[in-house]
Parts: sequence; C-alpha cells; structure tokens
Amino acid sequence: AQSVTQLDSHVSVSEGTPVLLRCNYSSSYSPSLFWYVQHPNKGLQLLLKYTSAATLVKGINGFEAEFKKSETSFHLTKPSAHMSDAAEYFCVVSAMNRDDKIIFGKGTRLHILP
Amino acid sequence: GAGVSQSPSNKVTEKGKDVELRCDPISGHTALYWYRQSLGQGLEFLIYFQGNSAPDKSGLPSDRFSAERTGGSVSTLTIQRTQQEDSAVYLCASSLGGGSKYNEQFFGPGTRLTVL
Repeated sequence: AQSVTQLDSHVSVSEGTPVLLRCNYSSSYSPSLFWYVQHPNKGLQLLLKYTSAATLVKGINGFEAEFKKSETSFHLTKPSAHMSDAAEYFCVVSAMNRDDKIIFGKGTRLHILP
Repeated sequence: GAGVSQSPSNKVTEKGKDVELRCDPISGHTALYWYRQSLGQGLEFLIYFQGNSAPDKSGLPSDRFSAERTGGSVSTLTIQRTQQEDSAVYLCASSLGGGSKYNEQFFGPGTRLTVL
C-alpha cells in the first residue's frame, strides 16, 4: 500500500527567498516519486522525478528534490523564488509493482510575495 | 507536437443526465489515465488503461462511472445519471506504455463538469 502526504496546503515566501515544499510518502515497494506543477488555468506539468537513480534530482525551472529513504521524504526546494513560481504543486508516489496505484498528494499552493 | 487533448473543455448538465468526456492521448502513448480533481482537493485516480484494457479500474467511484478505450488511442469516460457531487475537473493523462507507472505522464487541459 502507498500513501503520500503534503504537509502544507499553503506556503508563502518572498520573491528571492528559498522555497521548501514538504512531501512524505509510504510505500511497500521501491517507490518512484514525482513532483508536478499546475499553474492557474493550465495543465499539470512534470517538474522532476526520482526512479532509484541519484537521490538528488534536478528538475526544470531551478527546482530540485532529495529522496531520503530514512526519513521517507521527497521535499521540493528552490534556492530563490520567482513570481512565476506561484502555482499548485503535487507530490506523487508510484511503485515498481504494477498492482500499486499512482497516488497524488492533496497539493501545496505556493504564494510568492513581492 | 500535439499534446493530450480533451473535449469538451466545459460541460454543464442537469442532474440525472448522462455525460461523455473524451480524451485524445499523445500519439504512440499506450498508457492512459483518468483523474478527477475536485475544488480544493488533490487528484483522485479513476482508471488506468494499458492499450485497450484497463488493468486498474479500482478508482471508479461508483457503477455510474465507466470508461473505454478503442484502437489503443481515444478514450471516453461516461458518467450516467450525474449527481451534483460529480462536479469536478476531469483530467486525462497519457504516457509511454510498457505498464511502467514511473513513466512521465503528460496531462490534458481537463474537462470542467458542472452538474446543476
């Protein structure tokens, strides 16, 4: 069985400051983990994914995430927020076992303050 | 190239009517997924197709919901006797197949369904 928890429903940061969006997961099998972003009135777009290669994953738009098995976490970070980063972010867990589902977190809305 | 397309983009219907939502995946993508996104909620998985077969339809919320896929391409999601709680954005995604659930999913723009 799998689950994913996004610990914050809303996060506000000032432009130019670091971003941290938290995600914890549980999985019976080796997980694949993803972050997707959804801008207002736009479709979901993949930011980055972890599939058992390097634990530090770099994505688009300067985002990265680190897979920490001991903490069952896959937090999303960015060193310096930009106004265009304002969007909703979803953490997703899947598993190598085909019978396991793809589970989306409830999302974190990121607000960027000028 | 063309991405995933969905039609209609908006659908308003009356309670009790049936609706059909269509998804055109990216050409060559053998895996297709349907999700539902309700206001303030995350994405709820509905059903997954690999080719024309649906190995995982466990997310369908009731027997009023059904989906089919023909020719390994277009898929339709049908909701019979719609209820107000069916109001949501229905998202379709496709990915390269092989049954691998860690392939990147490409999402369509969604169909916003409103049941009055």
